[in-house]
Amino acid sequence: NAGVTQTPKFQVLKTGQSMTLQCAQDMNHNSMYWYRQDPGMGLRLIYYSASEGTTDKGEVPNGYNVSRLNKREFSLRLESAAPSQTSVYFCASSPRGAYNEQFFGPGTRLTVL
Amino acid sequence: AQRVTQPEKLLSVFKGAPVELKCNYSYSGSPELFWYVQYSRQRLQLLLRHISRESIKGFTADLNKGETSFHLKKPFAQEEDSAMYYCALWGIDSNYQLIWGAGTKLIIKP
Repeated sequence: NAGVTQTPKFQVLKTGQSMTLQCAQDMNHNSMYWYRQDPGMGLRLIYYSASEGTTDKGEVPNGYNVSRLNKREFSLRLESAAPSQTSVYFCASSPRGAYNEQFFGPGTRLTVL
Repeated sequence: AQRVTQPEKLLSVFKGAPVELKCNYSYSGSPELFWYVQYSRQRLQLLLRHISRESIKGFTADLNKGETSFHLKKPFAQEEDSAMYYCALWGIDSNYQLIWGAGTKLIIKP
């Protein structure tokens, strides 16, 4: 089992460009999450999906959209990238809810110029 | 508001010395607390959680509700313990969100 996979691993964008970060899990988990990690700060939740068909905003949702395509896949879209979105993005999944152990992907390092 | 504070950004100790990584939280209810670890070039992963009351890789953590702390301890540090450590809190009214501390980088010197 691959666990949680993310693509791409690295990306450089120019301000105003759009892109989608892909995340998939093969553990049959109900809940999935997108975080960003910035230097000197803990992980901050962008969006989460408690179960297939539902998505909700986290702490820092502005500038992002998500799609829970099916139970396995949860994508994060930046419609018009800004330098403030330069960060490392992590996808995670858990059986149901943050009360359970979360399993993380390897991360995507995004730079917006 | 719910908050998790890890006061040390960096902690450096010698191999064989005791280690204590501090975590303080702010939450009015009864929290569930976690320690996650990220070793170099590896994924963030769960180390231990309060409810399990386990010792993982020699680490333990005790919830002190009076001091609102959940410090991570190990009596004898090993070089392979060098990593980034994050404390996280889940409360019943936090919905599906974990509240994360900023992390402490632990360096074990030989």
